Amino acid sequence: QQQVKQSPQSLIVQKGGISIINCAYENTAFDYFPWYQQFPGKGPALLIAIRPDVSEKKEGRFTISFNKSAKQFSLHIMDSQPGDSATYFCAASMRGATNKLIFGTGTLLAVQP
Amino acid sequence: GAVVSQHPSWVICKSGTSVKIECRSLDFQATTMFWYRQFPKQSLMLMATSNEGSKATYEQGVEKDKFLINHASLTLSTLTVTSAHPEDSSFYICSARPGGDGPQHFGDGTRLSIL
Repeated sequence: QQQVKQSPQSLIVQKGGISIINCAYENTAFDYFPWYQQFPGKGPALLIAIRPDVSEKKEGRFTISFNKSAKQFSLHIMDSQPGDSATYFCAASMRGATNKLIFGTGTLLAVQP
Repeated sequence: GAVVSQHPSWVICKSGTSVKIECRSLDFQATTMFWYRQFPKQSLMLMATSNEGSKATYEQGVEKDKFLINHASLTLSTLTVTSAHPEDSSFYICSARPGGDGPQHFGDGTRLSIL
């Protein structure tokens, strides 16, 4: 119940295209869903996050779509650029004393010029 | 804002030695810090959660006597890998969270190689 399933494992997109990464969860107590971007040899950096009271959040080229009934959420990267090539992790946590993050398995995105 | 600094970024040492990794929140006070381990091409696995001034809470399967965590101040947590062996070689990443419902901010990780 604590798992967050992420797909696809890897993704190749042409420059200017849309990259879509999907995540699903089981635990309905989760109430915070961030996406992190990680470059090789670096720590993850927070991209965008959403809470279940909204169905969509957009920040620049990055959009999270959230489907509470299906317990799924996705990251859309519009106008994908070679500089977006990185590993993306979804995560989930629940309110509480520690707010532990449960990470998805990651998606390696390659944007071809 | 919300910068987390981790030091060292890379360490190589002989089997049997102990290695200390520091994690500092530079521009905020972190009531909670987290330590993760990441193997190549894998996700981040939470090792332990530490709150300032109290003992760390370790995840199942993580040896607390092997991975000593100290969170002595609101801006500093340390992870000591004691008597390190080659199987402890990994990428160790810390994160820090301000009080309340703030997001976790990650350091740039420490690559530990045990020969």
